[in-house]
Amino acid sequence: AQSVTQLGSHVSVSEGALVLLRCNYSSSVPPYLFWYVQYPNQGLQLLLKYTSAATLVKGINGFEAEFKKSETSFHLTKPSAHMSDAAEYFCAVRAGGGADGLTFGKGTHLIIQP
Amino acid sequence: DGGITQSPKYLFRKEGQNVTLSCEQNLNHDAMYWYRQDPGQGLRLIYYSQIVNDFQKGDIAEGYSVSREKKESFPLTVTSAQKNPTAFYLCASSSDPQSDTQYFGPGTRLTVL
Repeated sequence: AQSVTQLGSHVSVSEGALVLLRCNYSSSVPPYLFWYVQYPNQGLQLLLKYTSAATLVKGINGFEAEFKKSETSFHLTKPSAHMSDAAEYFCAVRAGGGADGLTFGKGTHLIIQP
Repeated sequence: DGGITQSPKYLFRKEGQNVTLSCEQNLNHDAMYWYRQDPGQGLRLIYYSQIVNDFQKGDIAEGYSVSREKKESFPLTVTSAQKNPTAFYLCASSSDPQSDTQYFGPGTRLTVL
């Protein structure tokens, strides 16, 4: 079985500051890992995904995430926050070889202070 | 444009009524999924289908039913047996259920009156 823990249900940063959203996972087999973003009353949009090709994954809108097997982590970062980054962010995992749905964390609401 | 559509965007239901949520995709994806989203709970898998005429229960299937008669369509019925159906429902699809990204529709917000 796999699981995802997102540390911090709310994270607040100033515009222009570093964004760091934390995600730790557990999986008995090599995982596929995803970060999605959700704006109010909308579906989820893929930011980036890790599929074992490279440990540092670059996504859309300037986001990137680093897979660290030893720490079972897949934290999301962005060097400089923009007001438009305010949204809900979800980390998700699927065990490699599994064909069922994704297992999601509970989400982190990112607040950008002007 | 290719994508996933869900209808309606907002749905109101009286207690004791069944209601069906629509999900259509024109991405030619084999796999489709239904998730339920509650505030502070993330998304939880209700049902998924890897191929036409086949589907499996997810983590919270009780009180829900689905069908997959066509590749493009995966409707979800919320039955009167679902104890707390008020939630945001998201449909997703992927071309390869084992490795590929899941793409999401815009969601349907169901409210039970």
